[in-house]
Amino acid sequence: DAGVIQSPRHEVTEMGQEVTLRCKPISGHNSLFWYRQTMMRGLELLIYFNNNVPIDDSGMPEDRFSAKMPNASFSTLKIQPSEPRDSAVYFCASSFSSGPETQYFGPGTRLLVL
Amino acid sequence: GENVEQHPSTLSVQEGDSAVIKCTYSDSASNYFPWYKQELGKGPQLIIDIRSNVGEKKDQRIAVTLNKTAKHFSLHITETQPEDSAVYFCAASSYNAGNMLTFGGGTRLMVKP
Repeated sequence: DAGVIQSPRHEVTEMGQEVTLRCKPISGHNSLFWYRQTMMRGLELLIYFNNNVPIDDSGMPEDRFSAKMPNASFSTLKIQPSEPRDSAVYFCASSFSSGPETQYFGPGTRLLVL
Repeated sequence: GENVEQHPSTLSVQEGDSAVIKCTYSDSASNYFPWYKQELGKGPQLIIDIRSNVGEKKDQRIAVTLNKTAKHFSLHITETQPEDSAVYFCAASSYNAGNMLTFGGGTRLMVKP
């Protein structure tokens, strides 16, 4: 299995630009999670999908952030407009949904907003 | 909601020594406790997990213990090696939270050769 795939691995952009992060979960998994990791705040859950439906988006910082999961094999996290404080590593993770289960993380996207 | 505290935040040991990282959780309904290892530039990777129906689990040099009464669980690494150097995260989850994990703040383990 290829594991969770994220793209791009690195993104440098200027403040005000739109940023789109992409994730392909492990085949057969039906839960998908987006996390943000910073030194100050650690690992924060942004949003969680189950069977392509957003279940909990209480961690999404503000309206500038949006996430979609159009099908079981693809999800996007979009930031528009981006700000320097959005600079972080963004991880996507996937798991089976039958209750508490292991989450498998992707390699992350390192985002720098100048 | 669940709150997970992890200690220490940094830990330095000599190669061959043991390392212990401790976590406490607040939700008595939590029943799944994974441990992740994150190496520089990579995503967290599961190294061991334990469910609330057992008190201890071992996998070679790694073991996890769970005390449900006290609501704490620990990671034990024996015979540490330089490649064990990484950041380790504990987490907790319960059926009340679906399959969302609440993570501890992380422990940076440094193994000195």
